[in-house]
Amino acid sequence: SQQGEEDPQALSIQEGENATMNCSYKTSINNLQWYRQNSGRGLVHLILIRSNEREKHSGRLRVTLDTSKKSSSLLITASRAADTASYFCATATGGGNKLTFGTGTQLKVEL
Amino acid sequence: DAEITQSPRHKITETGRQVTLACHQTWNHNNMFWYRQDLGHGLRLIHYSYGVHDTNKGEVSDGYSVSRSNTEDLPLTLESAASSQTSVYFCASSESRGLAGEETQYFGPGTRLLVL
Repeated sequence: SQQGEEDPQALSIQEGENATMNCSYKTSINNLQWYRQNSGRGLVHLILIRSNEREKHSGRLRVTLDTSKKSSSLLITASRAADTASYFCATATGGGNKLTFGTGTQLKVEL
Repeated sequence: DAEITQSPRHKITETGRQVTLACHQTWNHNNMFWYRQDLGHGLRLIHYSYGVHDTNKGEVSDGYSVSRSNTEDLPLTLESAASSQTSVYFCASSESRGLAGEETQYFGPGTRLLVL
């Protein structure tokens, strides 16, 4: 079963607007990562937030983590057409290096 | 530059045939992973390896096998292809840094497999 579920499944916004995607998970985690996938390509790592962190920034990306609610959000500010992609959260639990991916949010940024 | 490659990029096969998908990385990473991606399911882990001669089953391992004879390669074999194995397959690798789960995974471009 999937550890992470993204919401919404699809999101369409205008260039310049902010995009917010949410991820909920089921069990305790060590950290949570966000990945991006352009159409027909492999996933690319965006940002990692540890379980003891509440917020992290990287350029136009802002990630929050609420372990009490078992949820995370990814905010992309001032979106661009080039941000059009699918975004996945992935959780690391227990030992080892495995990640469990969510089902993804498809973001479309229109000019 | 280091990279991770997959071959073939597209494959059409028939039910019952054995198929092997190749994955090669030049990052010198210890950890390698195979996922399948299907609509509505995201990425699901098939098999993974933490080093040479180490292999482990993932969430959806039935009908698949892997072997790790060197650091660079983790081929995925479908023993007897089924239509349910039609999917996009991604290989990934990550470095072992001793921090559980903090390693970034680097993904290959994927292989589209159609089983008729």
